[in-house]
Amino acid sequence: GESVGLHLPTLSVQEGDNSIINCAYSNSASDYFIWYKQESGKGPQFIIDIRSNMDKRQGQRVTVLLNKTVKHLSLQIAATQPGDSAVYFCAEAYSGGGADGLTFGKGTHLIIQP
Amino acid sequence: DSGVTQTPKHLITATGQRVTLRCSPRSGDLSVYWYQQSLDQGLQFLIQYYNGEERAKGNILERFSAQQFPDLHSELNLSSLELGDSALYFCASSPQGDEQFFGPGTRLTVL
Repeated sequence: GESVGLHLPTLSVQEGDNSIINCAYSNSASDYFIWYKQESGKGPQFIIDIRSNMDKRQGQRVTVLLNKTVKHLSLQIAATQPGDSAVYFCAEAYSGGGADGLTFGKGTHLIIQP
Repeated sequence: DSGVTQTPKHLITATGQRVTLRCSPRSGDLSVYWYQQSLDQGLQFLIQYYNGEERAKGNILERFSAQQFPDLHSELNLSSLELGDSALYFCASSPQGDEQFFGPGTRLTVL
């Protein structure tokens, strides 16, 4: 079946640097995309979302970019901090399909080096 | 804290048994979703309820069922448990079906 996948399972960055986490999705009908952060022992925490009518959205220290042409999603974290260490999941949904369940990617483990 | 609560936090049981996981959504959220997170399958959508009615089904086994009660809390029932059912089970809630807020999860271990 169609799924959302991540290019890199582990990403290691220096504290203070910018992090970029990538995600490829395969369902061209998906029109809603979300990034979640999951810390050890906790549930996924919403970071930022974007709809298919946009190609960029900014939050606090985070930016999501959507390229529908190549079905690619990325999460940029500025000035990475130790508290950013977690597994990051991208997720997609098709709001017109009658099912609002999210399809999650496998996750990228972001490791912050001091 | 997302505002979504789940009980119990941990559950250990034996194969063939039946368990019930409970979820209380955020105040005012009408949608409740259940997800299973395992090492080999990742986060998988199981089922969604909206205001007491089943709205969508994902990769939910026939041995599993759920319901949402008039006070909007939800229960996920897992029966005839197998070793492979060991996983984290998350509940999420949403006001309108977009941004979903996840609970802390229930860790199920089947021995």
